[in-house]
Amino acid sequence: EAGVVQSPRYKIIEKKQPVAFWCNPISGHNTLYWYRQNLGQGPELLIRYENEEAVDDSQLPKDRFSAERLKGVDSTLKIQPAELGDSAVYLCASSLGTEAFFGQGTRLTVV
Amino acid sequence: SQQGEEDPQALSIQEGENATMNCSYKTSINNLQWYRQNSGRGLVHLILIRSNEREKHSGRLRVTLDTSKKSSSLLITASRAADTASYFCATVHYNQGGKLIFGQGTELSVKP
Repeated sequence: EAGVVQSPRYKIIEKKQPVAFWCNPISGHNTLYWYRQNLGQGPELLIRYENEEAVDDSQLPKDRFSAERLKGVDSTLKIQPAELGDSAVYLCASSLGTEAFFGQGTRLTVV
Repeated sequence: SQQGEEDPQALSIQEGENATMNCSYKTSINNLQWYRQNSGRGLVHLILIRSNEREKHSGRLRVTLDTSKKSSSLLITASRAADTASYFCATVHYNQGGKLIFGQGTELSVKP
């Protein structure tokens, strides 16, 4: 069974450009998380979905970040425009309610 | 916002020794989980302990939970070089739905 799939693995963009990350969770997992992880830090929750509903987006910087989870399956996270401080690893995870399964992450570098 | 505070931030031991990592949190939990992250990879779930449990074992892992002190510890016995990774505790709190909140992690280095 495939795990959580994220793409791309790496992305380098110039500041002020838009960028999008894609996540395909494990089939049947109704909970989907997006986290941001800075070097040497723990993952910081950006948004959590239960099916297609965003139930917790209090940590999402809504002026430049947006996310969607169409049909309660795949999800995309977008940043527009990107800033230098957005450089980090963006992790997607899915869950059936207890343990979370993580993708490999997308390493974003904003130059 | 992060709940878990982990201690130590970094730990270096020799192969065969035991490694102990601690995690403290601030508000009542539903459960506490430990994850491992190898460099440049995603996180992998290791073990979950519920608020009504005090100790749990899985292979060479032993987790304890003291809800009165709001703390947990992860013990890895007979460590191996392959155990080198970052270890994170994550908490699920009654008053925050199913949100999984991570600590800052402990970086473990096991020298052969």
